[in-house]
Amino acid sequence: DAGVIQSPRHEVTEMGQEVTLRCKPISGHDYLFWYRQTMMRGLELLIYFNNNVPIDDSGMPEDRFSAKMPNASFSTLKIQPSEPRDSAVYFCASRWDWTSKQYFGPGTRLTVT
Amino acid sequence: KQEVTQIPAALSVPEGENLVLNCSFTDSAIYNLQWFRQDPGKGLTSLLLIQSSQREQTSGRLNASLDKSSGRSTLYIAASQPGDSATYLCAVMGNYKLTFGKGTLLTVNP
Repeated sequence: DAGVIQSPRHEVTEMGQEVTLRCKPISGHDYLFWYRQTMMRGLELLIYFNNNVPIDDSGMPEDRFSAKMPNASFSTLKIQPSEPRDSAVYFCASRWDWTSKQYFGPGTRLTVT
Repeated sequence: KQEVTQIPAALSVPEGENLVLNCSFTDSAIYNLQWFRQDPGKGLTSLLLIQSSQREQTSGRLNASLDKSSGRSTLYIAASQPGDSATYLCAVMGNYKLTFGKGTLLTVNP
């Protein structure tokens, strides 16, 4: 398996623009997670899905952030409008069930100027 | 709210030394604990997973222990090598979510 796939790997955008991050989980994994990592706050869980259904979005910082999972092999995280404080590395992760190992993608480094 | 603390924040050792990384968590009601490795600019790689009913797990030169009642886990690395240099993160699973510590930055000097 190719592992968790994320695109793009790097994104530089201007404040106010819309940003869309993409993730393909490992085939057969029922859980998908979106995280944000910064030096100050470490790894923060933004939202997770189980069988394509959003279960907990309490970590989404504000209404500018939204996430979707239209099918078992694809998810998006959208930021509209983007702000400089959104600059971070965004990780997607998946797991088979809640007792199994969690696998992370390589991340998307987002820079908002 | 679960809180995970890792000590030390950074560690520098000479090659060949055995070392221990520490992780503590405030809520002992966990399902499992996972240790990850993160190289600069890369994603997280799972090293070891310990279920709540287990006491330890081993993989090669790595050994992780779990004492759920005291809220502690350790990651033991034997005969460290420069290639072990990375950030090591501990994460506990509760309520279907992993809560992460901020990691220990390990540098193994040749």
